[in-house]
Amino acid sequence: NAGVTQTPKFRILKIGQSMTLQCTQDMNHNYMYWYRQDPGMGLKLIYYSVGAGITDKGEVPNGYNVSRSTTEDFPLRLELAAPSQTSVYFCASSHLGQGNTEAFFGQGTRLTVV
Amino acid sequence: GESVGLHLPTLSVQEGDNSIINCAYSNSASDYFIWYKQESGKGPQFIIDIRSNMDKRQGQRVTVLLNKTVKHLSLQIAATQPGDSAVYFCADTIKAAGNKLTFGGGTRVLVKP
Repeated sequence: NAGVTQTPKFRILKIGQSMTLQCTQDMNHNYMYWYRQDPGMGLKLIYYSVGAGITDKGEVPNGYNVSRSTTEDFPLRLELAAPSQTSVYFCASSHLGQGNTEAFFGQGTRLTVV
Repeated sequence: GESVGLHLPTLSVQEGDNSIINCAYSNSASDYFIWYKQESGKGPQFIIDIRSNMDKRQGQRVTVLLNKTVKHLSLQIAATQPGDSAVYFCADTIKAAGNKLTFGGGTRVLVKP
């Protein structure tokens, strides 16, 4: 199993450009999450999904959109990139239930908006 | 829950000593509390969790203590090793909120040889 795969690993965007951060998992997990992590800071939840077709806002959803058309994929869309969106983005998945809380994280996408 | 935070941003520990990392939380509705370790340039990695109706849970070299009276969580690492140098985050999940996983601010642990 590859686990959680994020692409791209690095990206530089100009202000106003748009892009999609890809996230896919091959563990058949029902829960998926998107976080951003600013330098020296903790992880802020952007969006999460409890299953295909269901998404919900986290702490910092403004400026982002998500979709969950399949169990495996959970792309994050930035429509009009702003310098404040410069950050490292992490995708995670988990199969919460039966006392199992472990979430598996991807390696992150480092995004710079200039 | 809505606010999961940490007392100490940086902790320096001598190799072989025990480490104690603290975390405060505000939401009594949390179902699970979880500790993650993040090494430089990597995503967080699960260490251990504790259900909200428990006081203590032990893993390999780690122990998590939960004090619901003062809403405090701690992670104890026994015989700290150089490989334990990382940032440690506490997190929680709330079943009533769709099991969203919320993180605290993190503590950096530096192990001195």
